[in-house]
Amino acid sequence: KNQVEQSPQSLIILEGKNCTLQCNYTVSPFSNLRWYKQDTGRGPVSLTIMTFSENTKSNGRYTATLDADTKQSSLHITASQLSDSASYICVVSAWNNDMRFGAGTRLTVKP
Amino acid sequence: NAGVTQTPKFQVLKTGQSMTLQCAQDMNHEYMSWYRQDPGMGLRLIHYSVGAGITDQGEVPNGYNVSRSTTEDFPLRLLSAAPSQTSVYFCASSAYGTGYTGELFFGEGSRLTVL
Repeated sequence: KNQVEQSPQSLIILEGKNCTLQCNYTVSPFSNLRWYKQDTGRGPVSLTIMTFSENTKSNGRYTATLDADTKQSSLHITASQLSDSASYICVVSAWNNDMRFGAGTRLTVKP
Repeated sequence: NAGVTQTPKFQVLKTGQSMTLQCAQDMNHEYMSWYRQDPGMGLRLIHYSVGAGITDQGEVPNGYNVSRSTTEDFPLRLLSAAPSQTSVYFCASSAYGTGYTGELFFGEGSRLTVL
């Protein structure tokens, strides 16, 4: 069964600190993996998109990694800011338009 | 550039009532989709369309109908609302299907409560 699991469910860090969010998946046949940021009450906004041949992709202070062999991805946030407080969602797509969403990691950045 | 527009933003229904959630995009995207988001769960695909006149079921299609008469619009219909359909609904669009790496743009969501 195609699934996406994220950890941790929630995370609290101090402003300026780094953090790493994890994503494991079993989606097949794998096409791409995306990370989205969702602010409370808003729609998800894309951060990165990676195919199986890409193992790192950055978007400003956000860096995503992908290990297609172990079916794991991570999202690293550097020098966190208060505006990073949001839910971060890992999304994995198969070639047949089957797209599976993780339940998300709720990140809170405190001053 | 409006992107993906959903209406209404909030709606309260009584069990058994019907309603339509509207979704429109102005990016000439072929792929459009509807999701529901429930607490503690990931977004789940309800229905999707790869072009005008073409629709298909997603993971949780029961209780929902869709049609795609134009490229721009993809309405989601609830024929007889049930409390289990209380959720936040998101519409999204992309130039091509999600098996490709084109960006998937989301609307701001429609919060539906069924009493």
